[in-house]
Amino acid sequence: AAGVIQSPRHLIKEKRETATLKCYPIPRHDTVYWYQQGPGQDPQFLISFYEKMQSDKGSIPDRFSAQQFSDYHSELNMSSLELGDSALYFCASSLGQSWNTEAFFGQGTRLTVV
Amino acid sequence: GESVGLHLPTLSVQEGDNSIINCAYSNSASDYFIWYKQESGKGPQFIIDIRSNMDKRQGQRVTVLLNKTVKHLSLQIAATQPGDSAVYFCAENIPPNRNSGNTPLVFGKGTRLSVIA
Repeated sequence: AAGVIQSPRHLIKEKRETATLKCYPIPRHDTVYWYQQGPGQDPQFLISFYEKMQSDKGSIPDRFSAQQFSDYHSELNMSSLELGDSALYFCASSLGQSWNTEAFFGQGTRLTVV
Repeated sequence: GESVGLHLPTLSVQEGDNSIINCAYSNSASDYFIWYKQESGKGPQFIIDIRSNMDKRQGQRVTVLLNKTVKHLSLQIAATQPGDSAVYFCAENIPPNRNSGNTPLVFGKGTRLSVIA
């Protein structure tokens, strides 16, 4: 079965640069969640989209923005990168209002800011 | 390799023994709970879930227990194997509301399980 696809898997950027992370949800899933996981930390919720509209907002910095497109894929745009933005960024998808066994996470994008 | 879990609490068990990983959740309104397994460099992988109208659910080699009175979850792994070595997270979810639809999962602090062969 198709899973959540994230790209790129690894990304190295310099301070003050911008980065764009992409997430392709499981087919037919209409909800996308973004999480940030620092070293030794639990995943922290950033933002989510349901039917192409923002549905919840967590600890996402103002320097970051995200959107969900008509094909339900989502992009997380990160500007003015800081060293502290280095982390694993995960995307998860679900169908409608249910978290269930199909709410898989992607393999993540490892962002390193140098 | 991935550095996730460097500073997490660690549970070390002998291969073949049973493991019990505990988690305290924060929101009494949470009605759905999931245990995830995360191996180095990979995304969280679903293990087992439980809804708040249950206090126990069993899967293959895993059992989740829910105690709503004290807001406590536990994951029991029977006959622990080396492949079970990973970081384990519990996650809670509150019911969606009519305006915003889905609500995000809130993750608890992970526990690193180390299986000694």
